[in-house]
Amino acid sequence: SAVISQKPSRDICQRGTSLTIQCQVDSQVTMMFWYRQQPGQSLTLIATANQGSEATYESGFVIDKFPISRPNLTFSTLTVSNMSPEDSSIYLCSGRGTLQETQYFGPGTRLLVL
Amino acid sequence: AQSVTQPDIHITVSEGASLELRCNYSYGATPYLFWYVQSPGQGLQLLLKYFSGDTLVQGIKGFEAEFKRSQSSFNLRKPSVHWSDAAEYFCAVGASGGYQKVTFGTGTKLQVIP
Repeated sequence: SAVISQKPSRDICQRGTSLTIQCQVDSQVTMMFWYRQQPGQSLTLIATANQGSEATYESGFVIDKFPISRPNLTFSTLTVSNMSPEDSSIYLCSGRGTLQETQYFGPGTRLLVL
Repeated sequence: AQSVTQPDIHITVSEGASLELRCNYSYGATPYLFWYVQSPGQGLQLLLKYFSGDTLVQGIKGFEAEFKRSQSSFNLRKPSVHWSDAAEYFCAVGASGGYQKVTFGTGTKLQVIP
């Protein structure tokens, strides 16, 4: 199994600022993902974090707004840039091996933008 | 592209009663199907998964799900609900190609009354 931690667990930010969320996995995982869960909504995949190369973004998400890094197999960061109140959400980090293997989730980062 | 529908947004059951949460999926090939549970303020935990073989899948916490290809369904069941089962439940479908993305349904919030 894998344990995923995220920092910070929550934050309150002013509009126009940026926040970087860190994700640490206690073991190597092939794939890492970033999801957004807006209040009362399901999970929406933002991007797949690729080790040593640019992340693969889903439709509606762009690198300038959500830059992602993944320097190794156990660590990734997501930055929410130039924030607006619409970015208030829970951001979840996730990791797994192949599709047949269990996908693990971090506890989430609860972001409120004022 | 794959999709998941959970037609019930909110379900209330009495403690000790049986439970069935509905899930319908859309995917052109053989799907990889999952049920996750999210307790308040927590990340997601995998309850069970189906890839192939026996269509009745046993999971943790006494849950089971049955894959019915003819109905494109993967309903989650539990014979006797406990108060601690109150949470939000997400059905998800995975695509076997590309980045093997997992798409989540909108969730069903379960309330358990004494």
